[in-house]
Parts: sequence; C-alpha cells; structure tokens
Amino acid sequence: AQTVTQSQPEMSVQEAETVTLSCTYDTSESDYYLFWYKQPPSRQMILVIRQEAYKQQNATENRFSVNFQKAAKSFSLKISDSQLGDAAMYFCAYRGYLIQGAQKLVFGQGTRLTINP
Amino acid sequence: DVKVTQSSRYLVKRTGEKVFLECVQDMDHENMFWYRQDPGLGLRLIYFSYDVKMKEKGDIPEGYSVSREKKERFSLILESASTNQTSMYLCASSRTGTTNEKLFFGSGTQLSVL
Repeated sequence: AQTVTQSQPEMSVQEAETVTLSCTYDTSESDYYLFWYKQPPSRQMILVIRQEAYKQQNATENRFSVNFQKAAKSFSLKISDSQLGDAAMYFCAYRGYLIQGAQKLVFGQGTRLTINP
Repeated sequence: DVKVTQSSRYLVKRTGEKVFLECVQDMDHENMFWYRQDPGLGLRLIYFSYDVKMKEKGDIPEGYSVSREKKERFSLILESASTNQTSMYLCASSRTGTTNEKLFFGSGTQLSVL
C-alpha cells in the first residue's frame, strides 16, 4: 500500500521569506500523481499544486513550486514571498494512475504553517 | 463553482447514538468520498462510492457504513457512535473520465461523541 509521510508537524516563517515543506512517499507504481492541499482555518481544502510523476519538470503555480525527486520519492513544496494568507495546514497527497474509477487520495499527516508578520 | 455541502459544521452526540452525516454535491460527480481527519494522522479514507448504490471500503471502515441512493448525496452512518469516533469528517467528490481529476471538498463536520 502507498504511504505518504510529512515529518514536519509545524513550521514557521517570516512574512516575505521562503519556506519549504517536506513530503516523502512510498509506492511500487511508476505512474502516479502527487498533490499539495492547503486547509486554512475555514477548513476548506484547496488544491495548491499537482505533479504528474511522468513529467520531469517541476510544477509551478505562482509563488508555489515543488521539488519532485522521483528516485528519492520526495515531493517538497516551496512557498516564496510568504504571505499572511498562506498560514494553514498543508497536506501532501498521492494518487495512483487510473483511467477509470474513483481516484482515491492517500494523505500525509499534515504540516501546520505559521506566518510571522 | 462546484459545491460540496456538508449538512452540519458542528455536531455533538452521545455514545451509542446513531449518527448520520450528510453530503451533497451539485456538479453531477460520479465519485464521492468520506475521510476523517485527526491531528497527527492526516486524512484517512473511510468509504467511497463511484456510482449510485455502489460503495467500497476505504482504509478505516470499521464502525461506519454509507448510503448512496441518489447521485448527488452520500451519507456516512455511525451505527452506534463511540468516543473514538470524535473527529473531523470531510466529504469530497470528483468526476470520472480523466486521470487528473481533482477532488472537491466540503467544509467538514466536527463531530464530538460524549
């Protein structure tokens, strides 16, 4: 079974600085998807960024980027120019490659990110 | 925008009660999911459904059942609530058809079992 591990329960960063959240996973599949979700105090889960394992290029969404190391099974999230609105719980998630059927996600334990003004 | 609505934001129940958590989505999604979220454990899949009246167990189905009589509605049932079922419950939905479909989540129900 696939597992996802986030080893940093809490992180903090000064506003406008850069922070990196770590995630490792275990799988025997060669094709899969990786995700970072953000959960602010409103509890609404928001998709931050998505990476397809077959793509060598790291995904980027504005201030958010990933460092995807397939051989090391590592998928870290970098947040540049941190803003107060980035404060949230961040979850790393894995999904196998499916043509049809329900796309189950396996989540990590979460990292609570605090932004210091 | 896709909307996934969970009927209650907070719920307090007594041990032994039968509890229904309701989830409705408005985008005709085939797939629906129930997760529970606990500190230090992340989100864990309880049950999911890929079609009306179809259901499959997730990673932690013990103590739970589900019902999907209509495509838009997916109910989680705690037959006899216990204190270890105190948790945040998140419902999600997604479309079948492509491999990179995203999940859409509700805002969660914080259940306390006393």
